[in-house]
Amino acid sequence: SQTIHQWPATLVQPVGSPLSLECTVEGTSNPNLYWYRQAAGRGLQLLFYSIGIDQISSEVPQNLSASRPQDRQFILSSKKLLLSDSGFYLCAWSNWNTEAFFGQGTRLTVV
Amino acid sequence: AQSVAQPEDQVNVAEGNPLTVKCTYSVSGNPYLFWYVQYPNRGLQFLLKYITGDNLVKGSYGFEAEFNKSQTSFHLKKPSALVSDSALYFCAVRDENTGFQKLVFGTGTRLLVSP
Repeated sequence: SQTIHQWPATLVQPVGSPLSLECTVEGTSNPNLYWYRQAAGRGLQLLFYSIGIDQISSEVPQNLSASRPQDRQFILSSKKLLLSDSGFYLCAWSNWNTEAFFGQGTRLTVV
Repeated sequence: AQSVAQPEDQVNVAEGNPLTVKCTYSVSGNPYLFWYVQYPNRGLQFLLKYITGDNLVKGSYGFEAEFNKSQTSFHLKKPSALVSDSALYFCAVRDENTGFQKLVFGTGTRLLVSP
């Protein structure tokens, strides 16, 4: 069966520090991969999605970037965090015609 | 661009009463539609989907939704609400014209079921 791992669960980082959140999927090949951010327990904002290695689509211009160095690995990064980057970050995978399966999320607090 | 609207920030219903959570969508081609539920500080759990076929789809925990192409709606329903249904509900859509690759969510509706 397929599983998705996202870590860390919580993270507190100072303003101006770098960020790296990692997401890996097991049990499937060539998945679509997604990064979302959820602010204040409300709507999900699509940040990036990827349909293959090194194929990344950015949805919102901002202080973040994403990379997919391997088929089942999706990394969210920032060189310098801002206070506004705080939020709940969710990784998900799907096939093109199926529902998406979510990781447990990372609660990022920038201080 | 594809989008989803959930017009109600919160829906309040008494336990045992029917519930409806509204969703409308906008796409260029044919849609794939989904409903998810989120409990506090957790990821999203899939409830049900419409891909093709019967407009009325049934999902987990007694939930169902009806695809209405003319009204571009996909409302979530349950005949009898439980207190444990209280959570945050999200509608989501894929668009045929983006190859169904991109998955966009609505802003969410908080469901509060009172005893």
